[in-house]
Order: sequence, then structure tokens, then C-alpha cells
Amino acid sequence: AQSVTQPDIHITVSEGASLELRCNYSYGATPYLFWYVQSPGQGLQLLLKYFSGDTLVQGIKGFEAEFKRSQSSFNLRKPSVHWSDAAEYFCASSKSGATNKLIFGTGTLLAVQP
Amino acid sequence: DAGVTQSPTHLIKTRGQQVTLRCSPKSGHDTVSWYQQALGQGPQFIFQYYEEEERQRGNFPDRFSGHQFPNYSSELNVNALLLGDSALYLCASSFRQGSGNTIYFGEGSWLTVV
Repeated sequence: AQSVTQPDIHITVSEGASLELRCNYSYGATPYLFWYVQSPGQGLQLLLKYFSGDTLVQGIKGFEAEFKRSQSSFNLRKPSVHWSDAAEYFCASSKSGATNKLIFGTGTLLAVQP
Repeated sequence: DAGVTQSPTHLIKTRGQQVTLRCSPKSGHDTVSWYQQALGQGPQFIFQYYEEEERQRGNFPDRFSGHQFPNYSSELNVNALLLGDSALYLCASSFRQGSGNTIYFGEGSWLTVV
């Protein structure tokens, strides 16, 4: 069955430090992969998505993610974190060629220290 | 251009009651999906509507039902509410069902069952 795993429930980084959030997917073929951000009490905002092609994907707010088929991973990175990046981050996947039903991970809560 | 709008924002219901949540998709979108996000969890797919028909359904009981109107707006109905139905209900819209199309989320409806 298709699934998404985010191993880190909670991460704390200092402002200005680099960030990497982990995401692993389970699916026989290459899925479509997404990262969403959710601020407290808000809906989900799409940061970036991977469908095919270049495995390094650039998104909004200075985020990027790299698709690694050999590791079944799609980790999210940012070179320098800002205090406004504190939020919950969700990795999601959908089956390529099918309807756009999203399977979400359980999320990683990011705290940013001054 | 209005994004995905949901109403009401918050509501409190008693066990056994029924609730209706409403969603207007982003302009130009014709496909609406509903997700349930329990506290501390990732969103879970409930069902998807396209051309006024339920096209795909997640692992939710028949107490959860929906409808899509000719103007593409949608309703989510939950009957015989249980305490465990307390969650944030997110509506998402996209153009067509295709998995290559970006999905936009509303800010959600917070349902508390007491």
C-alpha cells in the first residue's frame, strides 16, 4: 500500500541554520511527491512538487527538495531558516497517472530558536 | 482571485447530531476533495467529487457523505457524530482529477464534538 513516513516528529533549529526535513515514501512506481506547510490554525500551502525530470526541485520561500529513487526519499531543505518558517511540514504523495488523492505523512513540527 | 473557501470556520456539535460543511473551490477548478485532519496527524482523504459524482473514497464509514453542485461547490455531511469525529476538515480543489494538477487547500472547518 502507498504510504509516506516522516521520521522526525519535532525539530528545533536556530535561526540562520540550515534545515533538512526527512520524507520516505512507499510505492511500487515513482509517485508524485509534494511538500506542504501548515501554520497554526491555517490550511495547507504547497511549497513544491515533484512529478518527473530534474530530481532537485525548487519551491517557494527558498525551499528545495531532492528526489532520490534509490532511497525512496524526498527530503526538504533550506540553507538558512527564518523565524517565520516555524510551522508544521507535511510530505505527501499521489499515484502517478491516477486521481490526485494525496497520502500524507504525519508531519514534522519545526521550531526556530532566535 | 479567491482561493478555496470553507464555512463555517469553527463549530461545536453534540454526539449523535449531524453536521454539514461547505466548500467553494478556487475559480476555474472543477474537482473537490475532502480531508480529515485529527489533532497531531496528517490529513486523511475522505472522498473526491468530480462532475457531481463521488469518484474516489478513502477509508471512512457511510456516515460521511457528500455532494457536489453544478457550480462545483461541495458539501460534506457527517451523521451520528462521534467524539472521534472532532478534527479539522479540509477542502481541496483542482482542475480535473489528474494527478499532475496542483491541489489547493482551504483553511478548514474546525469541528468539535462534545
